[in-house]
Parts: sequence; C-alpha cells; structure tokens
Amino acid sequence: AQKITQTQPGMFVQEKEAVTLDCTYDTSDQSYGLFWYKQPSSGEMIFLIYQGSYDEQNATEGRYSLNFQKARKSANLVISASQLGDSAMYFCAMREPFSGNTPLVFGKGTRLSVIA
Amino acid sequence: ETGVTQTPRHLVMGMTNKKSLKCEQHLGHNAMYWYKQSAKKPLELMFVYSLEERVENNSVPSRFSPECPNSSHLFLHLHTLQPEDSALYLCASSQGPAFTDTQYFGPGTRLTVL
Repeated sequence: AQKITQTQPGMFVQEKEAVTLDCTYDTSDQSYGLFWYKQPSSGEMIFLIYQGSYDEQNATEGRYSLNFQKARKSANLVISASQLGDSAMYFCAMREPFSGNTPLVFGKGTRLSVIA
Repeated sequence: ETGVTQTPRHLVMGMTNKKSLKCEQHLGHNAMYWYKQSAKKPLELMFVYSLEERVENNSVPSRFSPECPNSSHLFLHLHTLQPEDSALYLCASSQGPAFTDTQYFGPGTRLTVL
C-alpha cells in the first residue's frame, strides 16, 4: 500500500493567489515526521517545511504553511501569494521511526504551474 | 561552498563504462543518502550511511556500489549499467538518522546510459 498519496498530478494557480496541495499518509506509528519538498526543473530537491506528529501547532515557514489533520492523516501544503517562481514539482514525504536508519518515503508529487 | 554539492551534474556513459558520482556536504551532518529518481516514479532510496556505517538496501543491483570515506563525502561507483538505470541521482544529508532530522539534497546528477 502507498504510504504517501498525492492525488493531484497537476495544479494551476493564478499569481498572487493561494493554493493547497494535498497529501495523505498511511502509518500505524504514533511518532513520525512529515516533510514537503520543492523540485524545480533544475532537479534540486529543496526542503520547504516540516511537521512532527506531536506538534500541536501547524507548521509555518514564510509563505508556506501545513494544514495538519492528524485524525484524517492529511498534511496539506498551503502556499500563499503564489509567485511565478513557485512553479515546480512538490513532494510530500514521511519518515517513521525504524531502528535508527529511517528512509524518507516520497509521494509521486504534484506539478504546480503558476500563471501570470 | 555551502549545502550539498554533487559532481558531475550530467553524465553520459556506455554500458561497459565505469564511472563514479561524488557528493559532498558542508553542513556537518552525520548521515548521507543516495536516491534514484526515474521518470514518473517516486524517489527511491538506494543507500544510507550513518556515521560512515552503511545500511544495506537489498533491492539495489550490485552494479551500484557506494563508498563513504568520511562523514562529508559519499560516492556512488557505477559499472556495467543498463539503459534503465538512466535517471536523476540525488544525494542528501541529515544531522542524524532520526526520523525528525530533515534531509537536505544536492542538485543531482542526471545520468544517461547508452
């Protein structure tokens, strides 16, 4: 079964508007970490934001915020005031505790296109 | 240099060649990783090194051979590759191997096997 599901292969958003990228995850652990990365066409995977499973507050980092709903196992990324430079692939990822060396499991990604 | 660097950025090789990918991290981290990103597939973890100790990933073919001489450097030695090995190879590092440790990635090496 997929651990990370990103149901939106592609999204369009108007410049300066907000956009939400969906991510649901599957785990039986109580402790885990959730990450969002941005990958522009150059290929580099850029870390955006982190949410720990025990964090009571939704994570925020500049224009990025995470809408964390633990009971629903969802961790949607919200980008406010979209910019043309936000056009990229966005990946949701999860790490679970696993004997000290824990692989980061990625979803298939969402391609975001920001339109002027 | 800062962050995680990878060389070369692009590599074209024949199936009989031997080449190596290099990764260097300038973040003082203790864990390093190799990932493979093929078209239309999620990123796949290949190898993990923590404090220069390797964690085996049994699903990786033996034509890929990692080497971690110290905590700042990671290599991926390639030999007798197949065309289906063409992909973007990403290196990452993190402070430690804990699940709360953020992984920071390099720019990747885009490999084409002819």
